Amino acid sequence: DTAVSQTPKYLVTQMGNDKSIKCEQNLGHDTMYWYKQDSKKFLKIMFSYNNKELIINETVPNRFSPKSPDKAHLNLHINSLELGDSAVYFCASSQDLTGDRREQYFGPGTRLTVT
Amino acid sequence: QKEVEQDPGPLSVPEGAIVSLNCTYSNSAFQYFMWYRQYSRKGPELLMYTYSSGNKEDGRFTAQVDKSSKYISLFIRDSQPSDSATYLCAMSRAYGNNRLAFGKGNQVVVIP
Repeated sequence: DTAVSQTPKYLVTQMGNDKSIKCEQNLGHDTMYWYKQDSKKFLKIMFSYNNKELIINETVPNRFSPKSPDKAHLNLHINSLELGDSAVYFCASSQDLTGDRREQYFGPGTRLTVT
Repeated sequence: QKEVEQDPGPLSVPEGAIVSLNCTYSNSAFQYFMWYRQYSRKGPELLMYTYSSGNKEDGRFTAQVDKSSKYISLFIRDSQPSDSATYLCAMSRAYGNNRLAFGKGNQVVVIP
């Protein structure tokens, strides 16, 4: 069983388009995250939700909008895609936001290519 | 100064050797420390998770944390070609939003 899953795995689109990436976790975790991994493999947090409440909103363009319909799902919508948005986007989840059960488990990633 | 420093390598070792990886950090508020393994075109896989200073062992993997020196290490004993991957250190504060600060990753190649 896949713990953290993302769809699609690959996404190729043109500049200016709007696209969404979906994430689901079946671990029963309370907190979910979106990370961006750039071409140099550096991972950086974008957003996190705890029990459907936005907790982290790093300095990302407001073209990026996360949505959490329930604790098991966290989607990422991107408007007006730009070349610089090309990257791999990872979803992650953790049992807790605080306390000792805070280790994060990652999904397989969505490789976004904007042409 | 970056929050977390990790020498990106690459590091090549013969099969069976001990692999030694490390990260340094600047923020003394970090209390939770993780090591992830990432194969090419895959998601990071959690290898080790430790709290505060000390050692933790899991099979061929040992994680060490020295908070006084702001230094963490990962050792892989009896390395195998299947250990060839990028290893990422990550850490978070005791309080707050559990934002993980990552190192740049260290590419390891185990040569048969």
